[in-house]
Amino acid sequence: QLQLQESGPGLVKPSETLSLTCSVSGASITSSGYYWGWIRQPPGKGLEWIASIYYTGITYYNPSLKSRVTMSLETSKNQFSLKMNSVTAADTAFYYCARVPPHSSSIDYWGQGTLVTVSS
Amino acid sequence: DIQMTQSLSSLSASVGDRVTITCRASQTVTSYLNWYQQKPGKAPKLLIYGASSLHSGVPSRFSGSGSGTGFTLTISGLQPEDFASYYCQQTYSSPQTFGGGTKVEIK
Repeated sequence: QLQLQESGPGLVKPSETLSLTCSVSGASITSSGYYWGWIRQPPGKGLEWIASIYYTGITYYNPSLKSRVTMSLETSKNQFSLKMNSVTAADTAFYYCARVPPHSSSIDYWGQGTLVTVSS
Repeated sequence: DIQMTQSLSSLSASVGDRVTITCRASQTVTSYLNWYQQKPGKAPKLLIYGASSLHSGVPSRFSGSGSGTGFTLTISGLQPEDFASYYCQQTYSSPQTFGGGTKVEIK
């Protein structure tokens, strides 16, 4: 059974860097054809795609966040990560990691989500 | 960016009702349209992909239709566990974008 689990600080100060890791169990993040991604949701609001990474390491970013975001694979740990710099209160949200299977563009597995609050 | 609009942010319905949720795209997304269900405090779950294909394990009372710019999610015979928020998502054009959500509440 595939499981995705987000981890990282729940509180980040304004102007600092948000760092999150998604640990994947039950599948290899280097399995052919899979995309892995990050989506966020401010409390009580809608969903926003942040970034995706192909199993080869090719990255795709939301243009609205591209200048502040970096996503990478950590294959030895079967994890992938998200870094977002220069955070503000507007970046306060639940952050979900997710998987998109081959020949598909829908998200079939989500992590449980982790709340990141940006505050001094 | 393609804007996805769910015209109703919420609706009230009773158990057993037939519920239709609509989603409109600001430009064509052909059939690259997915529907997700989200319950409070939980991650979204995939219901429908490709506008009309039922994801594995999803009850058959859920169905999707539409193409181009107009889409609907129908719940035929609302069950107590269906009270939740529903989001559409387009993956035709990057960045992929989501609708604002429709919350189905108990009447």
